[in-house]
Amino acid sequence: DTGVSQDPRHKITKRGQNVTFRCDPISEHNRLYWYRQTLGQGPEFLTYFQNEAQLEKSRLLSDRFSAERPKGSFSTLEIQRTEQGDSAMYLCASSLRSGTGGREQYFGPGTRLTVT
Amino acid sequence: DQQVKQNSPSLSVQEGRISILNCDYTNSMFDYFLWYKKYPAEGPTFLISISSIKDKNEDGRFTVFLNKSAKHLSLHIVPSQPGDSAVYFCAASVMRNQGGKLIFGQGTELSVKP
Repeated sequence: DTGVSQDPRHKITKRGQNVTFRCDPISEHNRLYWYRQTLGQGPEFLTYFQNEAQLEKSRLLSDRFSAERPKGSFSTLEIQRTEQGDSAMYLCASSLRSGTGGREQYFGPGTRLTVT
Repeated sequence: DQQVKQNSPSLSVQEGRISILNCDYTNSMFDYFLWYKKYPAEGPTFLISISSIKDKNEDGRFTVFLNKSAKHLSLHIVPSQPGDSAVYFCAASVMRNQGGKLIFGQGTELSVKP
């Protein structure tokens, strides 16, 4: 299977702990996006990378959140000092942006975070 | 502010009939629109898209219509099948000079009854 993969699928953590999620995009895709989805809402944009450069961050991404894509392949999203409000589904998506193509983003299965 | 709105949280349709899901947007800069389907515990799956230079795009049972003057798009599924039961999200983006981040609506849960 060559789709987007995310690890772990589920994470339960205690308030105040740090967590890190990983995303492996479709191999030839140059853009990688992180979104967050809470119950009853659509996904909300957090940040995106073109290759290894982080080009945009949402104001939803507080200073407790950091994302990296060190070699332009996989990406990690770290949340420090987790709060109960961080409980959500964290989704990763990738796309191949070239010319006028590659506008469709393909999503992974998500990581469900529960902060107790 | 909610730039993309799906005002119907749920829709129930009989198998074989047409399902029509609606979406409204406020940002006239959006130039690309997409529909995604989502099953529980899975990520959204891309269904169909349309550029703002078109008013219709068709792919098998799925057709998306765009009315730019009304800032409205709709997804038609004909004929509807029980396997189409899922949450459907519309999304919009500005591709011209931005990264193409997607702005999603709240979703409409479609139930197709046999």
